[in-house]
Amino acid sequence: NSKVIQTPRYLVKGQGQKAKMRCIPEKGHPVVFWYQQNKNNEFKFLINFQNQEVLQQIDMTEKRFSAECPSNSPCSLEIQSSEAGDSALYLCASSLTGGSGNTLYFGEGSRLIVV
Amino acid sequence: GDQVEQSPSALSLHEGTGSALRCNFTTTMRAVQWFRKNSRGSLINLFYLASGTKENGRLKSAFDSKERYSTLHIRDAQLEDSGTYFCAAEAGVNYNQGKLIFGQGTKLSIKP
Repeated sequence: NSKVIQTPRYLVKGQGQKAKMRCIPEKGHPVVFWYQQNKNNEFKFLINFQNQEVLQQIDMTEKRFSAECPSNSPCSLEIQSSEAGDSALYLCASSLTGGSGNTLYFGEGSRLIVV
Repeated sequence: GDQVEQSPSALSLHEGTGSALRCNFTTTMRAVQWFRKNSRGSLINLFYLASGTKENGRLKSAFDSKERYSTLHIRDAQLEDSGTYFCAAEAGVNYNQGKLIFGQGTKLSIKP
């Protein structure tokens, strides 16, 4: 169904460590989203890009995460200093165009456990 | 903020039967997507609707922006339909940039 590739599938980090996740969007999709899904199945939008440009991000992302979508390289999302509350599934999605009216295709996610 | 209320939270069906999932929105939404989370944890796209209804096999979905709801009907349920289903809506504001607001999910169990 989806060809969004996320790596790694799992990562375990200690508190204070950096945690980096990568995403290769579906071919030809310039728009990339990152979501955080917690153990209660609640989704939190983190950031989205169109090509290399950030469209929107929440305060938490701006303050604690580093994210980029360089040309010809995977997109990445990195937590600068992991906290226990960051333990979650991080989902990357891509779509064909920005704005409304576009189906989002999700990867399988990177599950972060902060110990 | 904008909310999506999904119901029921859990549903158990016998094979061959059917039912409906529903999402209510607190504000006007531009579009809705329905997903199923499979056993690997992947979100599988089921439908994207900006209006009206769509049907695919044993699944049918409807979206009414004015009445602020969307439904997903399953008929002749099969064991492989088990999983958690999510609706996700796109708020109808220009600054939204395609961002989705997810419902809480419905855990569907199909019994032989």
